[in-house]
Amino acid sequence: NAGVTQTPKFQVLKTGQSMTLQCAQDMNHEYMSWYRQDPGMGLRLIHYSVGAGITDQGEVPNGYNVSRSTTEDFPLRLLSAAPSQTSVYFCASNTIRGSGANVLTFGAGSRLTVL
Amino acid sequence: GQNIDQPTEMTATEGAIVQINCTYQTSGFNGLFWYQQHAGEAPTFLSYNVLDGLEEKGRFSSFLSRSKGYSYLLLKELQMKDSASYLCAVRSNTGFQKLVFGTGTRLLVSP
Repeated sequence: NAGVTQTPKFQVLKTGQSMTLQCAQDMNHEYMSWYRQDPGMGLRLIHYSVGAGITDQGEVPNGYNVSRSTTEDFPLRLLSAAPSQTSVYFCASNTIRGSGANVLTFGAGSRLTVL
Repeated sequence: GQNIDQPTEMTATEGAIVQINCTYQTSGFNGLFWYQQHAGEAPTFLSYNVLDGLEEKGRFSSFLSRSKGYSYLLLKELQMKDSASYLCAVRSNTGFQKLVFGTGTRLLVSP
């Protein structure tokens, strides 16, 4: 099992550009989520999904879109990048079943810089 | 809403014991997690408490008091590789059961 795979690991964008951060998991987890991590702020939830076709906003959703067409994939789209979106982004997944219920498995992270 | 407090930074010596505290305020509590995050890496799960008391897992233990809104992570026999950030996260019992993370405690272990 690869776990949670995120791409790209690094990206530099200019203000106004759009891009998609990819996230895939092979653990058949129901829940997937996107967090951003900024110095002194902790991990903050951007968007989450409780299953294919179902998404909802987290704490800091503005400027981001998500979709969940399959159980495995949960891409995060930046519509028009802004310097305030410079951050490290983590995709995570978890199941609600069994002994590992609710434990988040994180991807390796994507470091995004917006100039 | 939820509010989580933990110290920003701690230092300790190899072989020693260190306790990292976490206090929280939440409108609906449904569990507390500790994650470890090495610099430049993803967080990894350490422990989970939902009932009061101590959970022990090797060199690491985690304690919870729901009435006090308090948890601690105890690391024994510290090793250099324990130098990392330790994230306290509280899960709510509403809707998606969102996790809210504290800002993390950076632990530096010196020889």
